Amino acid sequence: QVQMVQSGAEVKKPGSSVKVSCKASGDTFNSYTFTWVRQATGQGLEWMGRIVPMFGTANYAQKFQGRVTITADKSTSTVYMDVSSLKSDDSAVYYCATDGGFRYGPLGLGSLDTWGQGTPVIVSS
Amino acid sequence: EIVLTQSPGTLSLSPGESATLSCRASQSVSSGYLAWYQQKHGQAPRLLIYGASTRATGIPDRFSGSGSGTDFTLTISRLEAEDFAVYFCQQYSRPPYTFGQGTKLEI
Repeated sequence: QVQMVQSGAEVKKPGSSVKVSCKASGDTFNSYTFTWVRQATGQGLEWMGRIVPMFGTANYAQKFQGRVTITADKSTSTVYMDVSSLKSDDSAVYYCATDGGFRYGPLGLGSLDTWGQGTPVIVSS
Repeated sequence: EIVLTQSPGTLSLSPGESATLSCRASQSVSSGYLAWYQQKHGQAPRLLIYGASTRATGIPDRFSGSGSGTDFTLTISRLEAEDFAVYFCQQYSRPPYTFGQGTKLEI
């Protein structure tokens, strides 16, 4: 089973950018879809977007289109999420997660099976 | 986008009782592409149920999911102390794959 380790906490100024990484273990990196989800303190979960490293294609929730970029480096089995033009309400814990389709088949495709530990991002002046 | 509304917001029960959590979608969730997650304080969510009713690997059979279309239910029987947490539903029928706002299950 794949495991993911995310980069550490970040403190950023409004208007700047942040890049969070998610390194996957195991040799099945190309078999997965990786999704990014965020959670503000005390709030619910927000689906941001996903990438299929095998194809390099990413798609995003409309809310984040143009401000979030998800990429994958197959040579290091690492997925990245870059958020630009940060605002205070971008302060949240950011999670990467693998798609359930690999383990559970078509009915699990889109569910989020294995999660990283989360990366807190604080946006403050 | 599909909006998921969970109810109740908070559910207060005792160990040994059963919990029924509801998730209602603003549009039909095709093919039962609905998942349930458990999240404990300070931890990442954990997948419990996918496909509306199929338990993920390692999830005890006290957890069961049901429903179709726009109405889905997570039932937890014989509550144990470790079950008191926040539960989220998620639809993955149509991007963006939205989540409900969560139900807090408390003692």
